[in-house]
Amino acid sequence: EAQVTQNPRYLITVTGKKLTVTCSQNMNHEYMSWYRQDPGLGLRQIYYSMNVEVTDKGDVPEGYKVSRKEKRNFPLILESPSPNQTSLYFCASSLVGAPGGQPQHFGDGTRLSIL
Amino acid sequence: GQSLEQPSEVTAVEGAIVQINCTYQTSGFYGLSWYQQHDGGAPTFLSYNALDGLEETGRFSSFLSRSDSYGYLLLQELQMKDSASYFCAVSAGGSYIPTFGRGTSLIVHP
Repeated sequence: EAQVTQNPRYLITVTGKKLTVTCSQNMNHEYMSWYRQDPGLGLRQIYYSMNVEVTDKGDVPEGYKVSRKEKRNFPLILESPSPNQTSLYFCASSLVGAPGGQPQHFGDGTRLSIL
Repeated sequence: GQSLEQPSEVTAVEGAIVQINCTYQTSGFYGLSWYQQHDGGAPTFLSYNALDGLEETGRFSSFLSRSDSYGYLLLQELQMKDSASYFCAVSAGGSYIPTFGRGTSLIVHP
């Protein structure tokens, strides 16, 4: 089954404790991205990757890191999490980027709470 | 940068037709997408318009006017299960992934 898998689904942690949210896709997609979703603000881009070893900042990259060492995986790293990073996070992948109009396939989301 | 505007909430009754509008400001426009999201679940792709006009997929249709920087999603024969958030997203030069609007919460009443 074609899917994007995120782990963990839920995490409560404390300020400053490094954490990684994993994302894996089995569709051989070139593009992968991370979004955060906050009430009233919609989905905001954090980082995206066009291919292995190619990443770029989205609209809200501060406090986050990513890596793309393999095509299928795109982990999101919070080196020193802070309470303002409490949010619902989504990983997505697509076959190609704009202007192809290829749909973004989203994972089920990771709800992070930073105390 | 890019900006999108869509209403925060729309209500309608079962069986009715509802239109969710989206206006955008961007440079190097490629196309406009629509996504549906049920209560905290994963957004799912509904449609993509790159050219002017109406695209129909079952009960859902999506329209684009490039000259007006405007699009809408039309939902017909509304069902209770259509209650969800709907996001428009613009694909444009300089960004290889779509930029999403803030979403419209559609509430369908019996």
